[in-house]
Amino acid sequence: GENVEQHPSTLSVQEGDSAVIKCTYSDSASNYFPWYKQELGKGPQLIIDIRSNVGEKKDQRIAVTLNKTAKHFSLHITETQPEDSAVYFCAARRYSSASKIIFGSGTRLSIRP
Amino acid sequence: DTGVSQNPRHKITKRGQNVTFRCDPISEHNRLYWYRQTLGQGPEFLTYFQNEAQLEKSRLLSDRFSAERPKGSFSTLEIQRTEQGDSAMYLCASSLRQDDYGYTFGSGTRLTVV
Repeated sequence: GENVEQHPSTLSVQEGDSAVIKCTYSDSASNYFPWYKQELGKGPQLIIDIRSNVGEKKDQRIAVTLNKTAKHFSLHITETQPEDSAVYFCAARRYSSASKIIFGSGTRLSIRP
Repeated sequence: DTGVSQNPRHKITKRGQNVTFRCDPISEHNRLYWYRQTLGQGPEFLTYFQNEAQLEKSRLLSDRFSAERPKGSFSTLEIQRTEQGDSAMYLCASSLRQDDYGYTFGSGTRLTVV
């Protein structure tokens, strides 16, 4: 089955700097890669996703890149703000009617003022 | 609010007791998922339903766990004879089949077994 590894587990950056979180996946048939943000006491919230027919996707200050050959994908947050502090999860799934999303172990991002 | 609703938000129970959690998905979503999340970890898949049919169960779902979605709307997750290792956040998510990529999660039920 699919295995998703995520690093770093914790990340602290100065406000205004960029943050990068990296993930690898094992199942070459996976073709959908969402990223979730989880704030304290809340469920994960989808912030951006990418499908395997696309190498990069951007939405304002966040961007995701995908390298299918290397089975790597990354989240980039630019111009970080205090409200970006949260736990971020990468995930992967194989698109099929009987497939579930498999999550990484999470990255706790802290933004220093 | 039309998001995914989970009740209760918190549950403290004594070891050996049974507990039941409820999830109300977004009304037009026909897929419903249960995940478990322990401290410092990502959500782990437990089971999912399409309408009222339970289509997949993880091996994490021991015989003490049972989930139902009797009318294809809300779902319940019951844990019998709770153990301390069951302490976790139980998350419910839903999705539309035809928009079957991202899930919408509820805020979860935090279970503490003492």
